[in-house]
Amino acid sequence: GQQLNQSPQSMFIQEGEDVSMNCTSSSIFNTWLWYKQDPGEGPVLLIALYKAGELTSNGRLTAQFGITRKDSFLNISASIPSDVGIYFCAGSLQGGSEKLVFGKGTKLTVNP
Amino acid sequence: GAVVSQHPSRVICKSGTSVKIECRSLDFQATTMFWYRQFPKQSLMLMATSNEGSKATYEQGVEKDKFLINHASLTLSTLTVTSAHPEDSSFYICSARDEQRLKDEQYFGPGTRLTVT
Repeated sequence: GQQLNQSPQSMFIQEGEDVSMNCTSSSIFNTWLWYKQDPGEGPVLLIALYKAGELTSNGRLTAQFGITRKDSFLNISASIPSDVGIYFCAGSLQGGSEKLVFGKGTKLTVNP
Repeated sequence: GAVVSQHPSRVICKSGTSVKIECRSLDFQATTMFWYRQFPKQSLMLMATSNEGSKATYEQGVEKDKFLINHASLTLSTLTVTSAHPEDSSFYICSARDEQRLKDEQYFGPGTRLTVT
């Protein structure tokens, strides 16, 4: 099935550093969503993007909907230990159903 | 707002028995809910789309007779794993869309850890 290419697969950073991760696809998406999942929990919605070129912030998080509608990135500034977790991108395809397509996730480790 | 609950959070059952998992939207109505399965260190795999008042739509390869879905109200969907086997052990997560927002955002429940012995 359709997949999103999410990278990097994992990141190990020091507290205070900035982080960037992205998702790409060969298909056009109507919506890009970024979720964070802690171990043993369900994903929590961080940011939702609906327009090409849209840049949205949520505290230290910033995400952008690529102008081609085939990619999105998520930046985390000044990372803190509680940023640890797995970040997933997800999107709904243009002309597709209400189902979401998920990336494989980026596992973030923050060293204090 | 947009809170989704699941019950139970953990369940252990014996092979051959059935297990029911509930998914509730607590502060919004959800005509559509989704059921996912997640294996360790992997992404979410959509199993089925649950539609209030109608039959669920299952993804390819998901046995509808094994994973029974009932969406009886605008705030409740249930997933029943019938005749469970150890290979059904997994983390099951539901999500729901807020119909009032007319957006694609899905809000996830906290998940249910199923262990079949």
